[in-house]
Amino acid sequence: SQTIHQWPATLVQPVGSPLSLECTVEGTSNPNLYWYRQAAGRGLQLLFYSVGIGQISSEVPQNLSASRPQDRQFILSSKKLLLSDSGFYLCAWTSRGGGYGYTFGSGTRLTVV
Amino acid sequence: EDQVTQSPEALRLQEGESSSLNCSYTVSGLRGLFWYRQDPGKGPEFLFTLYSAGEEKEKERLKATLTKKESFLHITAPKPEDSATYLCAVQARGFQKLVFGTGTRLLVSP
Repeated sequence: SQTIHQWPATLVQPVGSPLSLECTVEGTSNPNLYWYRQAAGRGLQLLFYSVGIGQISSEVPQNLSASRPQDRQFILSSKKLLLSDSGFYLCAWTSRGGGYGYTFGSGTRLTVV
Repeated sequence: EDQVTQSPEALRLQEGESSSLNCSYTVSGLRGLFWYRQDPGKGPEFLFTLYSAGEEKEKERLKATLTKKESFLHITAPKPEDSATYLCAVQARGFQKLVFGTGTRLLVSP
């Protein structure tokens, strides 16, 4: 069966520090991968999605970036965090072609102080 | 622009008191409408996908229905363990992303 792993679960980082969040999927090949952010009182906001290795689409201009170095690995990064980057970050995957709903990871609670 | 509006924002029920959650949407060609359950501090858990108006799906005490403009999540005789935030999302044809509503926080008291 397919599983998705996301870490760390919680992270407290100072303003201006770098960020790296990792997500991996097991039990499937060629998944579509997504990074969403969920701020308090707001809906899930799509940040990036990827349909293949090295293929990244950005939905929201910001100081975050994403990379997909391997088929089942998706990384969210920042060179310098802002206070506004605080939130709950969720990785998700769906089968190629989509249309069947996402499977989400357990999330990372990021607090920038 | 695709949009999803969920109501109410919060709902408090007594155990056994049935009710419905609403999801109104506008989308340029619906590929699918999705319902998720999210517990505090966790990722959303998939519940249902609906593809066309008139479609209905059930799972335990939950039943989801779909029209051309909205979807309802009916909760029959809820239990305290049904307390969670319920999220609705739509996917437009030809697009990869899901557009989410802000959710309905449901609290079921014993």
